[in-house]
Amino acid sequence: AQSVSQHNHHVILSEAASLELGCNYSYGGTVNLFWYVQYPGQHLQLLLKYFSGDPLVKGIKGFEAEFIKSKFSFNLRKPSVQWSDTAEYFCAARVDNTDKLIFGTGTRLQVFP
Amino acid sequence: GAGVSQTPSNKVTEKGKYVELRCDPISGHTALYWYRQSLGQGPEFLIYFQGTGAADDSGLPNDRFFAVRPEGSVSTLKIQRTERGDSAVYLCASSLGAYGEGYTFGSGTRLTVV
Repeated sequence: AQSVSQHNHHVILSEAASLELGCNYSYGGTVNLFWYVQYPGQHLQLLLKYFSGDPLVKGIKGFEAEFIKSKFSFNLRKPSVQWSDTAEYFCAARVDNTDKLIFGTGTRLQVFP
Repeated sequence: GAGVSQTPSNKVTEKGKYVELRCDPISGHTALYWYRQSLGQGPEFLIYFQGTGAADDSGLPNDRFFAVRPEGSVSTLKIQRTERGDSAVYLCASSLGAYGEGYTFGSGTRLTVV
Protein backbone atom coordinates (compact mmCIF):
# COMPACT_ATOMS: atom_id res chain seq x y z
CA ALA A 1 0.00 0.00 0.00
CA GLN A 2 1.09 3.54 -0.62
CA SER A 3 2.48 5.34 2.40
CA VAL A 4 4.29 8.47 3.44
CA SER A 5 6.96 8.35 6.13
CA GLN A 6 8.25 11.19 8.23
CA HIS A 7 11.07 9.90 10.37
CA ASN A 8 11.61 13.03 12.44
CA HIS A 9 8.80 13.07 14.96
CA HIS A 10 10.04 15.97 17.06
CA VAL A 11 12.71 18.49 16.13
CA ILE A 12 14.02 21.20 18.44
CA LEU A 13 16.09 24.05 17.03
CA SER A 14 17.37 27.46 18.03
CA GLU A 15 16.47 30.48 15.95
CA ALA A 16 18.65 30.95 12.86
CA ALA A 17 19.47 27.24 12.68
CA SER A 18 18.91 25.45 9.39
CA LEU A 19 16.06 23.01 9.04
CA GLU A 20 15.59 19.85 7.05
CA LEU A 21 12.59 17.58 7.62
CA GLY A 22 12.58 14.21 5.95
CA CYS A 23 9.72 12.80 3.88
CA ASN A 24 9.74 9.54 1.96
CA TYR A 25 6.91 7.99 0.00
CA SER A 26 6.41 4.46 -1.19
CA TYR A 27 4.97 4.44 -4.68
CA GLY A 28 6.51 3.92 -8.07
CA GLY A 29 3.94 5.61 -10.27
CA THR A 30 2.78 9.17 -10.78
CA VAL A 31 2.95 11.11 -7.55
CA ASN A 32 2.28 14.68 -6.51
CA LEU A 33 3.74 15.86 -3.24
CA PHE A 34 2.74 18.44 -0.67
CA TRP A 35 3.90 19.94 2.58
CA TYR A 36 1.29 21.29 4.97
CA VAL A 37 1.87 23.22 8.18
CA GLN A 38 -0.34 23.49 11.24
CA TYR A 39 0.48 26.35 13.58
CA PRO A 40 -0.72 26.02 17.18
CA GLY A 41 -4.48 26.45 17.31
CA GLN A 42 -4.82 26.90 13.56
CA HIS A 43 -5.94 24.80 10.63
CA LEU A 44 -3.70 23.00 8.17
CA GLN A 45 -2.22 25.30 5.54
CA LEU A 46 -0.43 24.48 2.32
CA LEU A 47 3.29 25.35 2.38
CA LEU A 48 4.26 24.11 -1.06
CA LYS A 49 3.50 21.47 -3.65
CA TYR A 50 5.22 19.58 -6.43
CA PHE A 51 3.43 18.38 -9.53
CA SER A 52 6.04 18.39 -12.27
CA GLY A 53 8.94 20.38 -13.66
CA ASP A 54 11.73 21.82 -11.54
CA PRO A 55 12.25 19.40 -8.65
CA LEU A 56 13.24 22.26 -6.34
CA VAL A 57 10.02 23.87 -5.19
CA LYS A 58 9.81 27.15 -3.32
CA GLY A 59 6.92 27.82 -1.00
CA ILE A 60 5.75 30.44 1.40
CA LYS A 61 7.73 31.84 4.34
CA GLY A 62 11.10 30.90 2.89
CA PHE A 63 10.50 27.15 2.80
CA GLU A 64 11.60 24.95 -0.07
CA ALA A 65 11.51 21.25 -0.85
CA GLU A 66 13.39 19.05 -3.27
CA PHE A 67 11.82 16.12 -5.08
CA ILE A 68 14.39 13.36 -5.58
CA LYS A 69 12.68 10.62 -7.56
CA SER A 70 15.50 8.10 -7.18
CA LYS A 71 15.27 8.38 -3.40
CA PHE A 72 11.46 8.63 -3.23
CA SER A 73 12.00 11.71 -1.10
CA PHE A 74 10.59 15.21 -0.76
CA ASN A 75 12.48 16.82 2.10
CA LEU A 76 11.51 20.22 3.43
CA ARG A 77 14.21 22.82 4.08
CA LYS A 78 14.62 26.30 5.42
CA PRO A 79 18.04 27.95 5.77
CA SER A 80 17.25 29.93 8.93
CA VAL A 81 14.25 29.16 11.14
CA GLN A 82 12.36 31.65 13.25
CA TRP A 83 10.46 31.21 16.49
CA SER A 84 7.25 31.69 14.46
CA ASP A 85 8.02 28.49 12.52
CA THR A 86 7.07 26.47 15.60
CA ALA A 87 4.35 24.19 14.28
CA GLU A 88 3.56 20.69 13.11
CA TYR A 89 4.57 19.84 9.55
CA PHE A 90 2.90 17.18 7.43
CA CYS A 91 4.12 15.69 4.19
CA ALA A 92 1.44 14.29 1.87
CA ALA A 93 1.25 12.49 -1.44
CA ARG A 94 -1.37 12.11 -4.13
CA VAL A 95 -0.89 9.03 -6.28
CA ASP A 96 -2.07 8.21 -9.78
CA ASN A 97 -4.23 11.31 -10.05
CA THR A 98 -6.64 10.10 -7.39
CA ASP A 99 -8.36 12.69 -5.31
CA LYS A 100 -7.17 11.78 -1.86
CA LEU A 101 -4.00 12.68 -0.05
CA ILE A 102 -1.93 10.23 1.95
CA PHE A 103 -0.38 12.01 4.91
CA GLY A 104 2.64 11.22 6.99
CA THR A 105 2.41 11.21 10.78
CA GLY A 106 3.82 14.71 11.06
CA THR A 107 6.89 16.35 12.55
CA ARG A 108 6.59 18.67 15.49
CA LEU A 109 9.05 21.54 15.20
CA GLN A 110 9.92 23.67 18.20
CA VAL A 111 12.08 26.74 17.68
CA PHE A 112 13.53 28.47 20.71
CA PRO A 113 14.64 32.12 20.68
CA GLY B 1 -17.34 32.87 4.01
CA ALA B 2 -13.65 33.28 3.46
CA GLY B 3 -12.67 29.87 4.71
CA VAL B 4 -13.99 26.38 5.34
CA SER B 5 -16.28 26.40 8.34
CA GLN B 6 -16.85 23.35 10.53
CA THR B 7 -19.38 23.05 13.30
CA PRO B 8 -19.35 22.25 16.09
CA SER B 9 -15.72 22.84 16.97
CA ASN B 10 -16.01 20.37 19.83
CA LYS B 11 -18.47 17.55 20.42
CA VAL B 12 -18.62 15.21 23.39
CA THR B 13 -21.02 12.32 23.08
CA GLU B 14 -21.77 9.09 24.87
CA LYS B 15 -20.87 5.75 23.40
CA GLY B 16 -23.69 4.46 21.24
CA LYS B 17 -25.11 7.87 20.35
CA TYR B 18 -25.53 9.36 16.88
CA VAL B 19 -23.62 12.49 15.84
CA GLU B 20 -23.60 14.82 12.88
CA LEU B 21 -20.68 17.01 11.91
CA ARG B 22 -21.16 19.87 9.50
CA CYS B 23 -18.85 21.38 6.90
CA ASP B 24 -19.49 24.58 4.98
CA PRO B 25 -16.91 24.84 2.18
CA ILE B 26 -15.60 27.91 0.41
CA SER B 27 -18.25 29.27 -1.92
CA GLY B 28 -17.81 27.89 -5.42
CA HIS B 29 -15.56 25.01 -4.43
CA THR B 30 -16.93 21.92 -6.12
CA ALA B 31 -14.68 19.39 -4.40
CA LEU B 32 -15.13 18.57 -0.72
CA TYR B 33 -13.16 16.12 1.40
CA TRP B 34 -13.47 14.62 4.85
CA TYR B 35 -10.43 13.42 6.77
CA ARG B 36 -9.99 12.05 10.27
CA GLN B 37 -6.97 12.80 12.43
CA SER B 38 -6.34 10.65 15.45
CA LEU B 39 -3.92 11.67 18.18
CA GLY B 40 -0.33 11.52 17.00
CA GLN B 41 -1.27 10.68 13.43
CA GLY B 42 -1.61 12.52 10.18
CA PRO B 43 -5.01 13.10 8.58
CA GLU B 44 -6.57 9.98 7.09
CA PHE B 45 -8.86 10.18 4.08
CA LEU B 46 -12.53 9.31 4.57
CA ILE B 47 -14.59 10.51 1.60
CA TYR B 48 -14.51 12.87 -1.36
CA PHE B 49 -17.42 14.67 -3.03
CA GLN B 50 -17.43 16.21 -6.47
CA GLY B 51 -20.61 18.26 -6.52
CA THR B 52 -23.41 16.34 -4.86
CA GLY B 53 -22.06 12.86 -5.40
CA ALA B 54 -19.57 10.88 -3.39
CA ALA B 55 -16.83 10.24 -5.93
CA ASP B 56 -14.71 8.18 -3.55
CA ASP B 57 -15.86 6.82 -0.19
CA SER B 58 -13.16 4.20 0.14
CA GLY B 59 -11.85 5.67 3.37
CA LEU B 60 -15.03 5.31 5.41
CA PRO B 61 -14.07 2.75 8.07
CA ASN B 62 -17.42 0.94 8.26
CA ASP B 63 -21.13 1.34 7.63
CA ARG B 64 -21.61 3.41 10.79
CA PHE B 65 -20.11 6.32 8.87
CA PHE B 66 -22.05 8.13 6.19
CA ALA B 67 -21.75 11.54 4.54
CA VAL B 68 -24.03 13.62 2.35
CA ARG B 69 -23.82 16.78 0.31
CA PRO B 70 -27.34 17.17 -1.05
CA GLU B 71 -27.02 20.55 -2.75
CA GLY B 72 -23.35 20.45 -3.66
CA SER B 73 -22.34 22.87 -0.95
CA VAL B 74 -22.68 22.04 2.76
CA SER B 75 -21.78 18.50 3.76
CA THR B 76 -22.70 16.49 6.84
CA LEU B 77 -20.71 13.57 8.19
CA LYS B 78 -22.92 11.23 10.16
CA ILE B 79 -21.72 8.64 12.64
CA GLN B 80 -24.11 6.09 14.08
CA ARG B 81 -23.64 4.08 17.28
CA THR B 82 -20.46 5.95 18.16
CA GLU B 83 -17.57 4.06 19.72
CA ARG B 84 -14.67 5.32 21.82
CA GLY B 85 -12.35 4.59 18.91
CA ASP B 86 -14.20 7.20 16.84
CA SER B 87 -12.70 9.94 19.01
CA ALA B 88 -10.58 12.11 16.74
CA VAL B 89 -10.49 15.46 14.96
CA TYR B 90 -12.64 15.35 11.85
CA LEU B 91 -11.31 17.67 9.16
CA CYS B 92 -13.11 19.01 6.15
CA ALA B 93 -11.38 20.54 3.15
CA SER B 94 -12.52 22.00 -0.14
CA SER B 95 -10.90 22.85 -3.43
CA LEU B 96 -11.91 24.64 -6.60
CA GLY B 97 -11.61 21.62 -8.83
CA ALA B 98 -10.77 17.97 -8.59
CA TYR B 99 -7.37 16.42 -7.93
CA GLY B 100 -6.69 18.27 -4.71
CA GLU B 101 -4.17 20.78 -5.96
CA GLY B 102 -3.90 22.16 -2.51
CA TYR B 103 -6.93 21.98 -0.34
CA THR B 104 -8.20 24.63 2.03
CA PHE B 105 -8.83 22.94 5.35
CA GLY B 106 -11.26 23.85 8.07
CA SER B 107 -10.28 23.96 11.72
CA GLY B 108 -11.94 20.62 12.38
CA THR B 109 -14.42 19.15 14.82
CA ARG B 110 -12.90 17.44 17.85
CA LEU B 111 -15.14 14.48 18.63
CA THR B 112 -14.81 12.78 22.00
CA VAL B 113 -16.80 9.65 22.68
CA VAL B 114 -17.05 8.84 26.39
